[in-house]
Amino acid sequence: EAQVTQNPRYLITVTGKKLTVTCSQNMNHEYMSWYRQDPGLGLRQIYYSMNVEVTDKGDVPEGYKVSRKEKRNFPLILESPSPNQTSLYFCASSFRARLGTSYEQYFGPGTRLTVT
Amino acid sequence: DQQVKQNSPSLSVQEGRISILNCDYTNSMFDYFLWYKKYPAEGPTFLISISSIKDKNEDGRFTVFLNKSAKHLSLHIVPSQPGDSAVYFCAASAVDKDTGNQFYFGTGTSLTVIP
Repeated sequence: EAQVTQNPRYLITVTGKKLTVTCSQNMNHEYMSWYRQDPGLGLRQIYYSMNVEVTDKGDVPEGYKVSRKEKRNFPLILESPSPNQTSLYFCASSFRARLGTSYEQYFGPGTRLTVT
Repeated sequence: DQQVKQNSPSLSVQEGRISILNCDYTNSMFDYFLWYKKYPAEGPTFLISISSIKDKNEDGRFTVFLNKSAKHLSLHIVPSQPGDSAVYFCAASAVDKDTGNQFYFGTGTSLTVIP
């Protein structure tokens, strides 16, 4: 089954304690991305990756790191989480954008993170 | 600054009638637009998209209209069904084969279809 998986689904942590949210896809997609969803703000892109070893900042990258060492995995790293990073996080993947073709993203189920 | 805006946080429609969800954008470089549907406790799922070279794309009960001069797009659902009740997100992107592409999402419209 084609899917994007995220782990953990729920996480409660304390300020400053480093954490990693994993994301994996089995569709051989080049493009992967992380978003956060907050009330009244919709989905905002944190980082994205066009392919292995290629990553770029999205709209709200501050306080986050990513890496893309393998095509299927795109972990999100919070080196020193703060309460303003409490949010619902989504990982997504798609084929690479090309003019004239569709490149809709497939989303994971989400990770609810609470930083106290 | 929000580059993609959905000004209606919620919409209620009777079953069988038409649902019209609206979206406005500010960046004229956007050349690809998508609609996603999201149920509670799930990730968004792709619904329909449109390239900027078109003004209409239809898929079953769903039709997306694009008005580039007004920087406006809309999603029509006909006929609306109770299972369509969800939050709908509009998204936009600009294709760049060298530097990749960012996606910008609206804040969502919660659609309720009343049986």
